[in-house]
Amino acid sequence: GEDVEQSLFLSVREGDSSVINCTYTDSSSTYLYWYKQEPGAGLQLLTYIFSNMDMKQDQRLTVLLNKKDKHLSLRIADTQTGDSAIYFCAESIGDSSYKLIFGSGTRLLVRP
Amino acid sequence: GAVVSQHPSWVICKSGTSVKIECRSLDFQATTMFWYRQFPKQSLMLMATSNEGSKATYEQGVEKDKFLINHASLTLSTLTVTSAHPEDSSFYICRLGGLPQETQYFGPGTRLLVL
Repeated sequence: GEDVEQSLFLSVREGDSSVINCTYTDSSSTYLYWYKQEPGAGLQLLTYIFSNMDMKQDQRLTVLLNKKDKHLSLRIADTQTGDSAIYFCAESIGDSSYKLIFGSGTRLLVRP
Repeated sequence: GAVVSQHPSWVICKSGTSVKIECRSLDFQATTMFWYRQFPKQSLMLMATSNEGSKATYEQGVEKDKFLINHASLTLSTLTVTSAHPEDSSFYICRLGGLPQETQYFGPGTRLLVL
């Protein structure tokens, strides 16, 4: 079945790195995504990784994918207070009209 | 890039009334749109896939008679919450389908509060 899991909460100090983890179950996923959602707002796509990649770096963001273990992580370097939000991972299921299955979300709190 | 609007952005209604939410693609013709629901402090749950010119495909556990979806044109899908109850209070978000997987277009969401 389709299931994406994340830890619920992470607290870090400003300037430290944050690592948010995600596990998924569908081995046929083609893309995996990270989204950010601030309070009362919609979703913001942060980054994505294609399933045949192991790592992707985009400025302060690093995505690591372990396809064997179906484990995805998002590392935020030099975390800022503005990074405080809920972070969702998601996997795509299907081809042209693909479904997105979201994880439960990790609430990141950045302490000054 | 494609822009997606939702209307209304906020709606408060009495229990028992029906509420229609529109998802409009402003510059992309979407044969498929997806409807999600997000309860407070929870994740987004896929409710249904809206297909232009045909019936929507509902996810398991979603009542098709309660959540009516009409994909009347390539730029408009509507979700009608019929006989809304307080437990239907949620954040409803649409997403365009048919785009490359690197491209994600979500609507800004509609917050529904049923009293």
